[in-house]
Amino acid sequence: EVQLVESGGGLVQPGGSLRLSCAASGFTFSSYAMSWVRQAPGKGLEWFSLISGRSGTTYYADSVRGRFTISRDNSKNTLYLQMNSLRAEDTAIYYCAKQRQWLRDFDYWGQGTLVTVSS
Amino acid sequence: QSVLTQPPSVSAAPGQKVTISCSGSSSNIGNNYVSWYQHLPGTAPKLLIYEDNKRPSGIPDRISGSKSGTSANLGITGLQTGDEADYYCGTWDSSLSAWVFGGGTKLTVL
Repeated sequence: EVQLVESGGGLVQPGGSLRLSCAASGFTFSSYAMSWVRQAPGKGLEWFSLISGRSGTTYYADSVRGRFTISRDNSKNTLYLQMNSLRAEDTAIYYCAKQRQWLRDFDYWGQGTLVTVSS
Repeated sequence: QSVLTQPPSVSAAPGQKVTISCSGSSSNIGNNYVSWYQHLPGTAPKLLIYEDNKRPSGIPDRISGSKSGTSANLGITGLQTGDEADYYCGTWDSSLSAWVFGGGTKLTVL
């Protein structure tokens, strides 16, 4: 059974940093691209970062480029998101998602972890 | 403002059919596969349709997807109260080099 479990969310002050993790199981982690998607309060789903299975290729949305870094450790079956220079508008539930095929759909999602940016 | 345009809400009675539209452009829907997701806030989104019209195992055939040009549709027949949720279309945008979602459509089963 595929499982994705996010952790690391919490309350952080504007300008601060936070590192999220997504522990994966039930599939060959290194064979699949992974993404981070978030949902701000009262808003829709927003994709913002993707990494290929072997970490050679990454993509970012303009809203986070230069502030967030996606990475993965295939030996630990874990996806990461380093978030720096956090802003109030980064407040959201953060989901990790497995891509079924490269640049296509997301077939499995985690339950999400809440990040709140506030002073 | 989302790259993909969906109606904010749709509604229909139990047992009826509803269609949710998703409009884009040649850089996204026109040249890439569309997928659809069901989301109840606070829970993990669920893949309903991939590659425009294919259903993952476990998704009933009363749920369907179609695409024509730069628009896609999600259809749900035999509506149930359990179908009440937010629905999102999504695809890769080749010009933006980014995955894009529609703004989401809230389905109400009256």
